[in-house]
Amino acid sequence: GQNIDQPTEMTATEGAIVQINCTYQTSGFNGLFWYQQHAGEAPTFLSYNVLDGLEEKGRFSSFLSRSKGYSYLLLKELQMKDSASYLCAVIFYSSASKIIFGSGTRLSIRP
Amino acid sequence: DADVTQTPRNRITKTGKRIMLECSQTKGHDRMYWYRQDPGLGLRLIYYSFDVKDINKGEISDGYSVSRQAQAKFSLSLESAIPNQTALYFCATGKGTGNQPQHFGDGTRLSIL
Repeated sequence: GQNIDQPTEMTATEGAIVQINCTYQTSGFNGLFWYQQHAGEAPTFLSYNVLDGLEEKGRFSSFLSRSKGYSYLLLKELQMKDSASYLCAVIFYSSASKIIFGSGTRLSIRP
Repeated sequence: DADVTQTPRNRITKTGKRIMLECSQTKGHDRMYWYRQDPGLGLRLIYYSFDVKDINKGEISDGYSVSRQAQAKFSLSLESAIPNQTALYFCATGKGTGNQPQHFGDGTRLSIL
């Protein structure tokens, strides 16, 4: 079966750094996405990893280890507006390409 | 204007009613998807379509049907709504190459009494 695990909730302080982990077990792997979703809004794309290593994009970075089935999203210089859910999603191939989403990590930023 | 537009944005209806949620896009993407989101369960795929003549079931298709009327339009129907179909529904689009991010509409909040 396909499975993605993320922590349900995390709390961090404004200006600090937080790491959100994601582990996955899927039949096939062709890349991993991170999305941000503010409450009641649509998910928006943050990053994509297909090769092992770190992808950096401004305050956000995402890391992938395919051999370990593991990824993390690193958020630096946290701002109050970063309070949101962060969704890990894996694209895999069966009969056709599909994406499955983790349940998301709700991140709360305190002043 | 939004690239992926869902209508209605909110709907309250009664058990047994037929409901249609509509999605249209101006992104020119071939692939379109319908998801539902429930608290604690994340996004779950209902149906997806890779072009007008291609319709595929997702992990939770029972109780739902879809129609791809054109490349830009993908509608989701609940033939006889039941309360456990109360959820937030999202339409998404994607490019033909699979390793591209999906683009989501603003969602339809559906409540079935």
